[in-house]
Amino acid sequence: QSALTQPASVSGSPGQSITISCTGTSSDIENHNFVFWYQQHPGKAPTLMIFEGSERPSGVSNRFSGSKSGNTASLTISGLQAEDEAHYYCCSFAGSGTWAFGGGTHLTVL
Amino acid sequence: QVQLVQSGAEVKKPGASVKVSCDASGYIFTDYYMHWVRQAPGQGPEWMGWINPNSGDTNYAQKFQGRVTMTRDTSITTAYMDLSRLRSDDTAVYYCARGRGVGTTGPIFDYWGQGTLVTVSS
Repeated sequence: QSALTQPASVSGSPGQSITISCTGTSSDIENHNFVFWYQQHPGKAPTLMIFEGSERPSGVSNRFSGSKSGNTASLTISGLQAEDEAHYYCCSFAGSGTWAFGGGTHLTVL
Repeated sequence: QVQLVQSGAEVKKPGASVKVSCDASGYIFTDYYMHWVRQAPGQGPEWMGWINPNSGDTNYAQKFQGRVTMTRDTSITTAYMDLSRLRSDDTAVYYCARGRGVGTTGPIFDYWGQGTLVTVSS
Protein backbone atom coordinates (compact mmCIF):
# COMPACT_ATOMS: atom_id res chain seq x y z
CA GLN A 1 0.00 0.00 0.00
CA SER A 2 1.14 3.56 -0.69
CA ALA A 3 1.96 6.20 1.87
CA LEU A 4 0.77 9.72 1.22
CA THR A 5 3.19 12.66 1.47
CA GLN A 6 2.51 15.62 3.72
CA PRO A 7 4.73 18.50 4.88
CA ALA A 8 6.09 17.84 8.34
CA SER A 9 4.96 21.17 9.73
CA VAL A 10 3.08 24.35 8.95
CA SER A 11 2.43 27.43 11.03
CA GLY A 12 0.23 30.48 11.05
CA SER A 13 -0.93 33.30 13.28
CA PRO A 14 -4.40 33.51 14.81
CA GLY A 15 -6.93 34.64 12.24
CA GLN A 16 -4.80 33.63 9.28
CA SER A 17 -5.45 30.78 6.84
CA ILE A 18 -3.19 27.82 6.19
CA THR A 19 -3.27 24.96 3.70
CA ILE A 20 -1.88 21.47 4.22
CA SER A 21 -1.15 19.38 1.15
CA CYS A 22 -1.32 15.62 0.76
CA THR A 23 0.31 14.13 -2.33
CA GLY A 24 -0.44 10.65 -3.55
CA THR A 25 -0.33 8.72 -6.79
CA SER A 26 -2.64 7.41 -9.49
CA SER A 27 -3.24 4.40 -7.23
CA ASP A 28 -4.92 6.47 -4.57
CA ILE A 29 -5.81 10.17 -4.54
CA GLU A 30 -5.77 10.79 -8.30
CA ASN A 31 -8.25 8.08 -9.22
CA HIS A 32 -10.47 7.98 -6.16
CA ASN A 33 -12.70 10.61 -4.60
CA PHE A 34 -12.24 9.15 -1.15
CA VAL A 35 -9.89 11.50 0.71
CA PHE A 36 -10.33 12.11 4.41
CA TRP A 37 -8.67 14.45 6.90
CA TYR A 38 -8.17 13.86 10.63
CA GLN A 39 -7.11 16.11 13.48
CA GLN A 40 -5.21 14.61 16.41
CA HIS A 41 -4.34 16.31 19.67
CA PRO A 42 -1.62 14.77 21.87
CA GLY A 43 -2.70 11.63 23.65
CA LYS A 44 -6.07 11.51 21.87
CA ALA A 45 -7.52 9.44 19.07
CA PRO A 46 -7.85 11.14 15.69
CA THR A 47 -11.03 13.04 14.88
CA LEU A 48 -12.61 13.10 11.42
CA MET A 49 -12.66 16.64 10.00
CA ILE A 50 -13.30 16.15 6.25
CA PHE A 51 -14.64 13.16 4.33
CA GLU A 52 -14.87 12.38 0.64
CA GLY A 53 -12.56 15.27 -0.16
CA SER A 54 -14.71 18.21 0.87
CA GLU A 55 -17.58 17.14 3.13
CA ARG A 56 -17.67 18.12 6.81
CA PRO A 57 -19.21 15.89 9.45
CA SER A 58 -21.79 17.57 11.64
CA GLY A 59 -20.15 19.53 14.41
CA VAL A 60 -16.99 20.38 12.48
CA SER A 61 -16.44 24.09 11.99
CA ASN A 62 -16.88 25.53 8.51
CA ARG A 63 -13.40 27.01 8.95
CA PHE A 64 -12.19 23.61 7.74
CA SER A 65 -12.45 22.85 4.04
CA GLY A 66 -11.01 20.28 1.68
CA SER A 67 -10.23 20.08 -2.02
CA LYS A 68 -8.40 17.93 -4.54
CA SER A 69 -6.55 18.51 -7.77
CA GLY A 70 -4.97 15.63 -9.62
CA ASN A 71 -2.96 13.55 -7.19
CA THR A 72 -2.91 16.19 -4.45
CA ALA A 73 -5.53 16.82 -1.79
CA SER A 74 -5.55 19.90 0.41
CA LEU A 75 -6.96 20.90 3.78
CA THR A 76 -7.48 24.60 4.40
CA ILE A 77 -8.12 26.04 7.83
CA SER A 78 -9.28 29.65 7.87
CA GLY A 79 -9.48 32.00 10.83
CA LEU A 80 -6.83 30.05 12.75
CA GLN A 81 -7.49 29.57 16.44
CA ALA A 82 -5.21 28.35 19.19
CA GLU A 83 -7.28 25.15 19.53
CA ASP A 84 -6.43 24.24 15.92
CA GLU A 85 -2.85 23.46 16.96
CA ALA A 86 -2.58 19.71 16.41
CA HIS A 87 -1.38 17.04 14.01
CA TYR A 88 -3.36 16.61 10.80
CA TYR A 89 -3.42 13.42 8.74
CA CYS A 90 -4.83 12.71 5.31
CA CYS A 91 -6.14 9.30 4.34
CA SER A 92 -7.12 7.92 0.96
CA PHE A 93 -8.61 4.82 -0.52
CA ALA A 94 -5.74 2.99 -2.23
CA GLY A 95 -7.61 0.38 -4.24
CA SER A 96 -8.43 -3.27 -3.58
CA GLY A 97 -10.20 -2.39 -0.35
CA THR A 98 -7.12 -0.87 1.23
CA TRP A 99 -6.46 2.53 2.79
CA ALA A 100 -3.34 4.67 3.22
CA PHE A 101 -2.50 7.49 5.62
CA GLY A 102 -0.16 10.41 5.21
CA GLY A 103 2.78 10.88 7.53
CA GLY A 104 1.11 13.84 9.21
CA THR A 105 1.56 17.60 9.48
CA HIS A 106 1.99 19.45 12.75
CA LEU A 107 0.21 22.78 12.78
CA THR A 108 1.62 25.45 15.08
CA VAL A 109 -0.53 28.49 15.84
CA LEU A 110 1.97 31.24 16.56
CA GLN B 1 -24.22 7.36 21.18
CA VAL B 2 -21.62 5.35 19.31
CA GLN B 3 -18.89 4.01 21.58
CA LEU B 4 -15.92 1.78 20.92
CA VAL B 5 -14.26 0.54 24.10
CA GLN B 6 -10.98 -1.33 23.81
CA SER B 7 -9.16 -3.69 26.13
CA GLY B 8 -6.30 -2.55 28.32
CA ALA B 9 -2.61 -2.09 27.75
CA GLU B 10 -0.42 -5.14 27.09
CA VAL B 11 3.27 -5.89 27.51
CA LYS B 12 4.57 -8.76 25.40
CA LYS B 13 7.89 -10.39 24.67
CA PRO B 14 9.21 -10.65 21.12
CA GLY B 15 7.74 -13.63 19.32
CA ALA B 16 4.55 -13.63 21.38
CA SER B 17 1.01 -12.79 20.22
CA VAL B 18 -1.44 -10.15 21.38
CA LYS B 19 -5.21 -9.99 21.06
CA VAL B 20 -6.98 -6.64 21.39
CA SER B 21 -10.75 -6.37 21.75
CA CYS B 22 -13.11 -3.59 20.73
CA ASP B 23 -16.58 -3.54 22.28
CA ALA B 24 -19.01 -1.59 20.08
CA SER B 25 -22.28 -0.01 21.16
CA GLY B 26 -24.75 2.65 20.06
CA TYR B 27 -25.22 1.41 16.49
CA ILE B 28 -25.99 -1.76 14.58
CA PHE B 29 -22.67 -3.62 14.78
CA THR B 30 -23.19 -5.71 11.66
CA ASP B 31 -24.06 -2.70 9.47
CA TYR B 32 -20.57 -1.13 9.50
CA TYR B 33 -17.08 -2.33 8.71
CA MET B 34 -14.60 -2.28 11.58
CA HIS B 35 -11.02 -1.25 10.86
CA TRP B 36 -7.83 -1.51 12.87
CA VAL B 37 -5.24 1.25 12.76
CA ARG B 38 -2.01 1.45 14.71
CA GLN B 39 0.21 4.38 15.60
CA ALA B 40 3.81 3.93 16.68
CA PRO B 41 5.29 6.54 19.04
CA GLY B 42 5.74 9.85 17.22
CA GLN B 43 4.48 8.40 13.94
CA GLY B 44 1.36 8.74 11.82
CA PRO B 45 -1.46 6.21 11.79
CA GLU B 46 -0.96 3.00 9.83
CA TRP B 47 -3.96 1.12 8.42
CA MET B 48 -3.90 -2.59 9.26
CA GLY B 49 -7.11 -3.97 7.80
CA TRP B 50 -10.85 -4.36 8.17
CA ILE B 51 -13.49 -6.90 8.98
CA ASN B 52 -17.08 -6.99 7.78
CA PRO B 53 -18.87 -7.92 11.04
CA ASN B 54 -21.84 -9.27 9.13
CA SER B 55 -20.05 -11.75 6.88
CA GLY B 56 -16.73 -12.09 8.71
CA ASP B 57 -14.88 -11.19 5.52
CA THR B 58 -11.52 -9.52 6.09
CA ASN B 59 -8.98 -7.51 4.12
CA TYR B 60 -5.51 -6.97 5.54
CA ALA B 61 -2.74 -4.58 4.59
CA GLN B 62 -0.04 -6.46 2.71
CA LYS B 63 2.48 -5.62 5.42
CA PHE B 64 0.54 -7.60 8.04
CA GLN B 65 -0.70 -10.54 6.00
CA GLY B 66 0.24 -13.79 7.68
CA ARG B 67 0.60 -12.14 11.10
CA VAL B 68 -2.77 -10.47 11.70
CA THR B 69 -6.18 -12.03 12.20
CA MET B 70 -9.35 -9.99 12.64
CA THR B 71 -12.45 -11.65 14.02
CA ARG B 72 -15.72 -10.69 15.62
CA ASP B 73 -18.39 -12.02 17.94
CA THR B 74 -21.72 -10.60 16.85
CA SER B 75 -23.49 -11.89 19.97
CA ILE B 76 -21.53 -9.45 22.10
CA THR B 77 -20.84 -6.84 19.36
CA THR B 78 -17.09 -7.12 19.82
CA ALA B 79 -14.29 -7.10 17.28
CA TYR B 80 -10.86 -8.56 17.86
CA MET B 81 -7.42 -8.03 16.36
CA ASP B 82 -4.79 -10.71 16.90
CA LEU B 83 -1.17 -9.95 15.93
CA SER B 84 1.40 -12.74 16.13
CA ARG B 85 5.19 -13.04 16.06
CA LEU B 86 5.54 -9.66 17.71
CA ARG B 87 8.68 -7.59 17.21
CA SER B 88 9.91 -4.50 19.00
CA ASP B 89 8.76 -2.32 16.12
CA ASP B 90 5.18 -3.49 16.73
CA THR B 91 5.18 -1.30 19.84
CA ALA B 92 2.32 1.10 19.18
CA VAL B 93 -1.14 2.24 20.16
CA TYR B 94 -3.67 0.06 18.40
CA TYR B 95 -7.08 1.55 17.57
CA CYS B 96 -10.32 0.12 16.29
CA ALA B 97 -12.22 2.59 14.14
CA ARG B 98 -15.66 2.33 12.61
CA GLY B 99 -15.68 2.16 8.84
CA ARG B 100 -18.37 2.84 6.32
CA GLY B 101 -21.73 1.28 6.30
CA VAL B 102 -21.60 -1.97 4.35
CA GLY B 103 -22.51 -1.20 0.74
CA THR B 104 -22.39 2.57 1.22
CA THR B 105 -20.02 5.49 0.80
CA GLY B 106 -19.60 8.31 3.29
CA PRO B 107 -17.49 8.90 6.38
CA ILE B 108 -14.83 6.42 7.38
CA PHE B 109 -13.10 6.23 10.77
CA ASP B 110 -15.78 8.51 12.19
CA TYR B 111 -15.58 6.84 15.60
CA TRP B 112 -12.44 5.51 17.27
CA GLY B 113 -11.73 3.44 20.30
CA GLN B 114 -9.60 4.93 23.05
CA GLY B 115 -6.56 2.99 21.89
CA THR B 116 -4.63 0.09 23.39
CA LEU B 117 -0.91 0.46 24.01
CA VAL B 118 0.97 -2.69 23.10
CA THR B 119 4.59 -2.70 24.24
CA VAL B 120 6.92 -5.36 22.87
CA SER B 121 10.06 -5.71 24.94
CA SER B 122 12.35 -8.45 26.13
